[in-house]
Amino acid sequence: EAGVAQSPRYKIIEKRQSVAFWCNPISGHATLYWYQQILGQGPKLLIQFQNNGVVDDSQLPKDRFSAERLKGVDSTLKIQPAKLEDSAVYLCASSYSTRNDYTFGSGTRLTVV
Amino acid sequence: GENVEQHPSTLSVQEGDSAVIKCTYSDSASNYFPWYKQELGKRPQLIIDIRSNVGEKKDQRIAVTLNKTAKHFSLHITETQPEDSAVYFCAASPHSGSARQLTFGSGTQLTVLP
Repeated sequence: EAGVAQSPRYKIIEKRQSVAFWCNPISGHATLYWYQQILGQGPKLLIQFQNNGVVDDSQLPKDRFSAERLKGVDSTLKIQPAKLEDSAVYLCASSYSTRNDYTFGSGTRLTVV
Repeated sequence: GENVEQHPSTLSVQEGDSAVIKCTYSDSASNYFPWYKQELGKRPQLIIDIRSNVGEKKDQRIAVTLNKTAKHFSLHITETQPEDSAVYFCAASPHSGSARQLTFGSGTQLTVLP
């Protein structure tokens, strides 16, 4: 099966600029997750979608981060305005609703300067 | 919420030796414990997982043990090879309907010396 697709692979922006990341999950995977992985740390959940509805966004900094999953397939994560501490790899993952195993995408490495 | 602690943060072993990485979790409702391997610049990949109704699971050179009472679980890699060098993350997930959010540990950089 095709994997989880993410783009862009890399992004460098200046602080206070905006940026968007895109994720296309594996076909048929109803659950989609966005994780933030800061260098040297484990991934931290930002938001979880079930189809096109938000299940949990309690750790999403909503003053600057937003995410949507139109039609329950692709998802975008946006940061506006970006801060230096947002520099990280943003990982998208998807899974079947009733299964535990995730498939992660390759991630988008964001550098805020 | 769940808190997962992982140690050691770095581990160096000689090729052929065994490596053990340990994790503890805080939420007694957690019942799924996967381990991920992440090579530099690549995505995390699931290498083994265990559920709370099982005490041990083995897959070739890797095994995971779980002690629910003590809330800790461990990854064991035997006969290590240079290609085992990577960062390993443990994670825990509480059962919550169909939600399977993972809380990750901080990672262990394993280096296998030839």
